[in-house]
Amino acid sequence: GDSVTQTEGPVTVSESESLIINCTYSATSIAYPNLFWYVRYPGEGLQLLLKVITAGQKGSSRGFEATYNKETTSFHLQKASVQESDSAVYYCALGDSSNNRIFFGDGTQLVVKP
Amino acid sequence: EAAVTQSPRNKVAVTGGKVTLSCNQTNNHNNMYWYRQDTGHGLRLIHYSYGAGSTEKGDIPDGYKASRPSQENFSLILELATPSQTSVYFCASGETWGTYEQYFGPGTRLTVL
Repeated sequence: GDSVTQTEGPVTVSESESLIINCTYSATSIAYPNLFWYVRYPGEGLQLLLKVITAGQKGSSRGFEATYNKETTSFHLQKASVQESDSAVYYCALGDSSNNRIFFGDGTQLVVKP
Repeated sequence: EAAVTQSPRNKVAVTGGKVTLSCNQTNNHNNMYWYRQDTGHGLRLIHYSYGAGSTEKGDIPDGYKASRPSQENFSLILELATPSQTSVYFCASGETWGTYEQYFGPGTRLTVL
């Protein structure tokens, strides 16, 4: 089926350290999947962090970046230097344009220590 | 200015009672969605809608009904609430073109005692 697997949290890093949150997907019934990273800050709803709709392309936002790798079916989220304000829950997601549905991973809580 | 709003933000209900969660969007999107989010499960789709008057079952529709009376409004109805429905519920509106991105409300925390 169609699903997303991501790094199990919580992930704890110190401020200014680098970050990688792994995400792999299975898109058995989706011909051209779109890939997303959403972020949920405490007390708020999910908001889009970045998106990539073409395999091989990289998306970036707020210092985060992720590359759509069709060969390894991966979309890992990376940041070179995290800040305390990056503490949140990050969701990798797979979009199916044929029915306008998005499949979400379980979320990874990121805790950035000052 | 928030484009997707939900009410109430917090709700405590009794087992067997009726609960209605409301969602309003000003994005003028055709699609709307209801998810629940539980620890260890991520977001799971309950019901969704492609426009006013339409509702579709998602992955976990049992125990829930949905109503889409207008483009802007989408409600989730628990006719007989159970403690297993204690969760955080998110509403979203979505594009029907481009990347099909979804835009989320702030969530409703429901506790069923």
